Amino acid sequence: DAKTTQPPSMDCAEGRAANLPCNHSTISGNEYVYWYRQIHSQGPQYIIHGLKNNETNEMASLIITEDRKSSTLILPHATLRVTAVYYCIGADSNYQLIWGAGTKLIIKP
Amino acid sequence: NAGVMQNPRHLVRRRGQEARLRCSPMKGHSHVYWYRQLPEEGLKFMVYLQKENIIDESGMPKERFSAEFPKEGPSILRIQQVVRGDSAAYFCASSPQGPGNTIYFGEGSWLTVV
Repeated sequence: DAKTTQPPSMDCAEGRAANLPCNHSTISGNEYVYWYRQIHSQGPQYIIHGLKNNETNEMASLIITEDRKSSTLILPHATLRVTAVYYCIGADSNYQLIWGAGTKLIIKP
Repeated sequence: NAGVMQNPRHLVRRRGQEARLRCSPMKGHSHVYWYRQLPEEGLKFMVYLQKENIIDESGMPKERFSAEFPKEGPSILRIQQVVRGDSAAYFCASSPQGPGNTIYFGEGSWLTVV
C-alpha cells in the first residue's frame, strides 16, 4: 500500500473552501486514493475516493494530479462542523487501508 | 437508515479480564472489518470477516484476540486476559460486498484497561 504524506494541521476561515493536500508519490497504478475524516471521539466517515479522474460528490471534490503523485481534497464553504482529522489513504484493497496521522483541519470563525 | 452499530461504546476492564465488543453491520452488509486506534494514531486493520468465515486476520495479534461473525447475530471481537496496552478505540466497519466497495464505520468502542 502507498505511503501518504499530509501536513499535520491546517487552518481555514469559515465560509472559505478548504484545500487539503496529500502526497502519495509511491502510489501504484491500481491503487485508489481514499479520503476519510474523523471527528473527535467518533468513527471515521467516508468522504470520497478516486483512481485517475477528478471526482466530486455532495461532500467534496477530489483533484488528482496527472502523474498521480499527489491529490487535493476540496471542501467548499467550510463550516465549523467540518473540523476534524482528515486522512488520505492510498490502497488497492479498501479494507487494509494504511492510516497515517492525517491533517487536523481547524475552521476559524 | 441504521448505520453500523457498536456496543458497548465504553468498556472498563481490569487486567486479566475478558472484553467482548459487538458490531452489527449496516442492513444488507455481509462483510465486517475490525480496526484498532491508539491515541493520536491512525487506524490499524485487524481482521476482515464474512458471515461464518474469517477472510483475513493478518492484523490480529497472535494471542488473546479472536473474532467471529456468526450466521445469526453481531460480529464479536473478543480480547482475553486484557492488558493495559489493549486500551484503545476499536472500530467496526461494514460493506455490502467485499474489497472494492466503500466501507462504513461505526462509532467505536473505547476499551480502558485499569
